[in-house]
Amino acid sequence: EAGVAQSPRYKIIEKRQSVAFWCNPISGHATLYWYQQILGQGPKLLIQFQNNGVVDDSQLPKDRFSAERLKGVDSTLKIQPAKLEDSAVYLCASSLAMGGPDIQYFGAGTRLSVL
Amino acid sequence: AQTVTQSQPEMSVQEAETVTLSCTYDTSESDYYLFWYKQPPSRQMILVIRQEAYKQQNATENRFSVNFQKAAKSFSLKISDSQLGDAAMYFCAYRSVTDKLIFGTGTRLQVFP
Repeated sequence: EAGVAQSPRYKIIEKRQSVAFWCNPISGHATLYWYQQILGQGPKLLIQFQNNGVVDDSQLPKDRFSAERLKGVDSTLKIQPAKLEDSAVYLCASSLAMGGPDIQYFGAGTRLSVL
Repeated sequence: AQTVTQSQPEMSVQEAETVTLSCTYDTSESDYYLFWYKQPPSRQMILVIRQEAYKQQNATENRFSVNFQKAAKSFSLKISDSQLGDAAMYFCAYRSVTDKLIFGTGTRLQVFP
Protein backbone atom coordinates (compact mmCIF):
# COMPACT_ATOMS: atom_id res chain seq x y z
CA GLU A 1 0.00 0.00 0.00
CA ALA A 2 1.42 3.37 -1.01
CA GLY A 3 1.93 5.86 1.79
CA VAL A 4 1.27 9.59 1.94
CA ALA A 5 3.22 11.33 -0.81
CA GLN A 6 4.50 14.88 -0.48
CA SER A 7 6.50 17.15 -2.73
CA PRO A 8 8.87 18.83 -2.87
CA ARG A 9 11.16 17.45 -0.17
CA TYR A 10 13.01 20.73 0.22
CA LYS A 11 12.29 24.30 -0.74
CA ILE A 12 14.36 27.44 -0.26
CA ILE A 13 12.78 30.83 -0.95
CA GLU A 14 13.29 34.44 -0.04
CA LYS A 15 10.91 36.26 2.24
CA ARG A 16 7.86 37.73 0.54
CA GLN A 17 7.96 35.03 -2.14
CA SER A 18 5.24 32.46 -2.61
CA VAL A 19 5.49 28.70 -2.21
CA ALA A 20 3.17 25.71 -2.59
CA PHE A 21 3.30 22.20 -1.20
CA TRP A 22 1.50 19.18 -2.57
CA CYS A 23 0.12 16.12 -0.78
CA ASN A 24 -1.42 12.91 -2.05
CA PRO A 25 -2.99 10.91 0.79
CA ILE A 26 -3.37 7.17 1.10
CA SER A 27 -6.06 5.93 -1.25
CA GLY A 28 -9.47 5.85 0.39
CA HIS A 29 -8.53 8.10 3.30
CA ALA A 30 -11.28 10.66 3.80
CA THR A 31 -9.44 12.90 6.25
CA LEU A 32 -6.36 14.93 5.40
CA TYR A 33 -4.25 17.08 7.71
CA TRP A 34 -1.54 19.68 7.25
CA TYR A 35 0.89 20.24 10.13
CA GLN A 36 3.65 22.76 10.69
CA GLN A 37 6.69 21.51 12.63
CA ILE A 38 9.10 24.23 13.71
CA LEU A 39 12.59 23.07 14.68
CA GLY A 40 12.63 21.73 18.23
CA GLN A 41 8.86 21.49 18.50
CA GLY A 42 6.16 18.95 17.87
CA PRO A 43 3.87 19.24 14.86
CA LYS A 44 1.04 21.74 15.10
CA LEU A 45 -2.17 21.26 13.12
CA LEU A 46 -2.77 23.94 10.52
CA ILE A 47 -5.85 22.60 8.75
CA GLN A 48 -7.97 19.45 8.60
CA PHE A 49 -10.14 18.34 5.69
CA GLN A 50 -12.92 15.78 5.69
CA ASN A 51 -13.26 14.83 2.02
CA ASN A 52 -13.09 18.28 0.39
CA GLY A 53 -14.59 20.25 3.28
CA VAL A 54 -12.63 22.09 5.96
CA VAL A 55 -13.21 20.72 9.48
CA ASP A 56 -10.68 22.77 11.44
CA ASP A 57 -8.55 25.69 10.29
CA SER A 58 -8.43 27.54 13.59
CA GLN A 59 -4.62 27.61 13.67
CA LEU A 60 -4.09 28.51 10.02
CA PRO A 61 -2.72 32.06 9.52
CA LYS A 62 -5.33 32.91 6.94
CA ASP A 63 -3.76 36.22 5.93
CA ARG A 64 -0.93 34.33 4.24
CA PHE A 65 -1.72 30.61 4.24
CA SER A 66 -4.33 28.88 2.13
CA ALA A 67 -5.13 25.26 1.43
CA GLU A 68 -7.47 23.34 -0.79
CA ARG A 69 -8.37 19.74 -1.36
CA LEU A 70 -9.70 19.25 -4.83
CA LYS A 71 -12.20 16.43 -5.35
CA GLY A 72 -11.48 15.15 -1.85
CA VAL A 73 -8.13 13.61 -2.82
CA ASP A 74 -4.94 15.66 -3.39
CA SER A 75 -4.27 18.79 -1.41
CA THR A 76 -2.16 21.91 -1.83
CA LEU A 77 -0.93 24.23 0.91
CA LYS A 78 0.21 27.69 -0.16
CA ILE A 79 2.05 30.46 1.61
CA GLN A 80 1.91 33.95 0.11
CA PRO A 81 3.90 35.98 1.04
CA ALA A 82 6.35 33.94 3.12
CA LYS A 83 7.94 35.27 6.30
CA LEU A 84 11.15 34.19 8.01
CA GLU A 85 9.15 32.53 10.79
CA ASP A 86 7.49 30.22 8.26
CA SER A 87 10.74 28.21 8.08
CA ALA A 88 9.64 24.75 9.20
CA VAL A 89 8.79 21.25 8.06
CA TYR A 90 5.30 20.96 6.62
CA LEU A 91 3.83 17.53 7.18
CA CYS A 92 0.78 16.06 5.53
CA ALA A 93 -1.13 13.19 7.11
CA SER A 94 -4.23 11.21 6.26
CA SER A 95 -6.61 8.88 8.07
CA LEU A 96 -9.53 6.67 7.12
CA ALA A 97 -12.06 8.52 9.25
CA MET A 98 -12.06 11.33 11.74
CA GLY A 99 -11.95 11.04 15.45
CA GLY A 100 -10.08 10.04 18.55
CA PRO A 101 -8.62 6.57 17.95
CA ASP A 102 -8.14 6.96 14.23
CA ILE A 103 -4.51 6.50 13.21
CA GLN A 104 -2.94 9.27 11.19
CA TYR A 105 -0.36 8.26 8.59
CA PHE A 106 2.26 10.87 7.80
CA GLY A 107 4.25 11.78 4.74
CA ALA A 108 7.95 12.64 4.83
CA GLY A 109 7.24 16.36 4.82
CA THR A 110 8.62 19.38 3.02
CA ARG A 111 11.42 21.34 4.67
CA LEU A 112 10.95 25.04 3.93
CA SER A 113 13.73 27.55 4.47
CA VAL A 114 12.81 31.22 4.14
CA LEU A 115 15.85 33.50 3.74
CA ALA B 1 -6.75 23.65 26.81
CA GLN B 2 -5.05 20.31 26.65
CA THR B 3 -1.26 20.26 26.86
CA VAL B 4 1.37 17.54 26.49
CA THR B 5 4.72 17.77 28.26
CA GLN B 6 7.85 15.78 27.54
CA SER B 7 10.43 16.81 30.12
CA GLN B 8 13.37 14.87 28.66
CA PRO B 9 14.80 16.65 25.60
CA GLU B 10 17.37 13.89 25.13
CA MET B 11 17.88 10.33 26.34
CA SER B 12 20.48 7.73 25.56
CA VAL B 13 20.62 3.96 25.92
CA GLN B 14 23.00 1.16 25.07
CA GLU B 15 22.01 -1.44 22.57
CA ALA B 16 19.99 -4.30 24.14
CA GLU B 17 19.20 -2.22 27.23
CA THR B 18 15.85 -0.77 28.31
CA VAL B 19 14.90 2.90 28.29
CA THR B 20 11.80 4.77 29.44
CA LEU B 21 10.59 8.03 27.93
CA SER B 22 8.29 10.22 30.01
CA CYS B 23 5.15 12.09 29.05
CA THR B 24 2.54 13.94 31.07
CA TYR B 25 -0.59 15.64 29.84
CA ASP B 26 -3.27 17.91 31.11
CA THR B 27 -6.94 17.47 30.31
CA SER B 28 -10.36 17.70 31.89
CA GLU B 29 -11.76 15.04 29.57
CA SER B 30 -12.43 11.51 30.78
CA ASP B 31 -12.36 9.85 27.38
CA TYR B 32 -9.35 10.36 25.13
CA TYR B 33 -6.51 8.66 23.30
CA LEU B 34 -2.77 8.76 23.72
CA PHE B 35 -0.09 8.00 21.16
CA TRP B 36 3.64 7.65 20.83
CA TYR B 37 5.06 8.55 17.41
CA LYS B 38 8.61 8.00 16.21
CA GLN B 39 10.26 10.46 13.82
CA PRO B 40 13.56 9.26 12.31
CA PRO B 41 15.85 11.59 10.34
CA SER B 42 13.75 10.85 7.26
CA ARG B 43 11.10 13.02 8.98
CA GLN B 44 8.22 10.59 8.46
CA MET B 45 6.22 10.21 11.67
CA ILE B 46 5.48 6.57 12.43
CA LEU B 47 2.97 5.39 15.02
CA VAL B 48 4.65 3.30 17.71
CA ILE B 49 1.79 2.60 20.09
CA ARG B 50 -1.70 3.79 21.00
CA GLN B 51 -3.65 3.73 24.29
CA GLU B 52 -7.34 4.27 24.85
CA ALA B 53 -7.99 6.05 28.16
CA TYR B 54 -10.96 3.81 29.00
CA LYS B 55 -8.74 0.73 28.93
CA GLN B 56 -6.93 -0.03 32.16
CA GLN B 57 -4.58 -2.50 30.51
CA ASN B 58 -1.35 -0.98 29.26
CA ALA B 59 -0.79 -1.28 25.51
CA THR B 60 2.15 -3.30 24.18
CA GLU B 61 3.61 -3.68 20.71
CA ASN B 62 6.51 -6.13 20.59
CA ARG B 63 9.44 -4.38 22.34
CA PHE B 64 7.39 -1.24 23.06
CA SER B 65 5.07 -0.90 26.03
CA VAL B 66 3.46 1.94 27.93
CA ASN B 67 2.82 2.71 31.56
CA PHE B 68 -0.50 4.57 31.55
CA GLN B 69 -1.40 6.21 34.86
CA LYS B 70 -4.73 7.96 34.25
CA ALA B 71 -5.05 9.58 37.67
CA ALA B 72 -1.53 10.96 37.44
CA LYS B 73 -2.02 11.90 33.76
CA SER B 74 1.19 10.12 32.88
CA PHE B 75 1.96 8.07 29.78
CA SER B 76 5.51 6.75 29.57
CA LEU B 77 7.01 4.61 26.81
CA LYS B 78 9.32 1.71 27.59
CA ILE B 79 11.59 0.36 24.88
CA SER B 80 13.08 -3.03 25.70
CA ASP B 81 16.08 -4.62 24.01
CA SER B 82 16.94 -1.31 22.32
CA GLN B 83 18.23 -1.48 18.77
CA LEU B 84 20.26 1.00 16.71
CA GLY B 85 17.20 1.54 14.54
CA ASP B 86 15.28 2.88 17.53
CA ALA B 87 17.33 6.07 17.43
CA ALA B 88 14.93 8.89 16.57
CA MET B 89 12.77 11.67 17.96
CA TYR B 90 9.84 10.34 19.95
CA PHE B 91 6.67 12.40 20.30
CA CYS B 92 3.90 11.84 22.79
CA ALA B 93 0.49 12.96 21.54
CA TYR B 94 -3.00 13.39 22.98
CA ARG B 95 -6.35 13.45 21.27
CA SER B 96 -9.81 13.86 22.72
CA VAL B 97 -12.72 12.09 21.07
CA THR B 98 -13.57 14.97 18.78
CA ASP B 99 -10.56 17.27 18.75
CA LYS B 100 -7.17 17.60 17.11
CA LEU B 101 -3.98 15.66 17.84
CA ILE B 102 -1.73 17.60 20.22
CA PHE B 103 1.96 16.77 20.32
CA GLY B 104 4.63 17.27 22.96
CA THR B 105 8.01 18.78 22.15
CA GLY B 106 9.70 15.43 21.69
CA THR B 107 12.56 13.41 23.17
CA ARG B 108 15.63 12.63 21.10
CA LEU B 109 16.73 9.04 21.73
CA GLN B 110 20.29 8.02 21.00
CA VAL B 111 21.26 4.36 20.94
CA PHE B 112 24.91 3.44 21.47
CA PRO B 113 26.41 0.12 20.33
